[in-house]
Amino acid sequence: DTGVSQDPRHKITKRGQNVTFRCDPISEHNRLYWYRQTLGQGPEFLTYFQNEAQLEKSRLLSDRFSAERPKGSFSTLEIQRTEQGDSAMYLCASSTGQGATNEKLFFGSGTQLSVL
Amino acid sequence: SQQGEEDPQALSIQEGENATMNCSYKTSINNLQWYRQNSGRGLVHLILIRSNEREKHSGRLRVTLDTSKKSSSLLITASRAADTASYFCATDKFTGTASKLTFGTGTRLQVTL
Repeated sequence: DTGVSQDPRHKITKRGQNVTFRCDPISEHNRLYWYRQTLGQGPEFLTYFQNEAQLEKSRLLSDRFSAERPKGSFSTLEIQRTEQGDSAMYLCASSTGQGATNEKLFFGSGTQLSVL
Repeated sequence: SQQGEEDPQALSIQEGENATMNCSYKTSINNLQWYRQNSGRGLVHLILIRSNEREKHSGRLRVTLDTSKKSSSLLITASRAADTASYFCATDKFTGTASKLTFGTGTRLQVTL
């Protein structure tokens, strides 16, 4: 069990550029979540996948954001035309997906995005 | 949006003392979970308490849940310097397809030698 991996750990970009983050969940986990966390706040839900299907998206996920999970394995989160307000820690988490409720999430170490 | 709010926002204690953090939330839940986050890292699950449970223990952790008051508390006994971290409560409100956790604002715990 190698845990949830996220790449890169840090990303510095200029405003207006596109960025893409990758998340590799724990191999047998069916559910994958993306959260965003700003300094001094708790994580805020962005979206989640059950296998390859994206089942829910938060209002925080504007049309500049897109997430995919091809083949139900790794996931990517792309932000187009980045803005300074996108600066945050982007956290990926996974869970087994075997139960409808009472599941705990396993988090990766996150990708810290800084938009200059 | 943040579902829960932790109290206090920051807590500083000495090693060996107990630390108590409180969490209040707004809507009905299936369960409440506590997570820990070291600076600049991801979150680590500590304990889950279901809505029909009132108290749960795990090692030096004790969690209580009062659904009538929509509140929970996390007690860390005999704290250690290594317990220094931010602690978040997260509520699980089943949406019909899967659980989705909503996190509070966190309590920053500092344990000094």
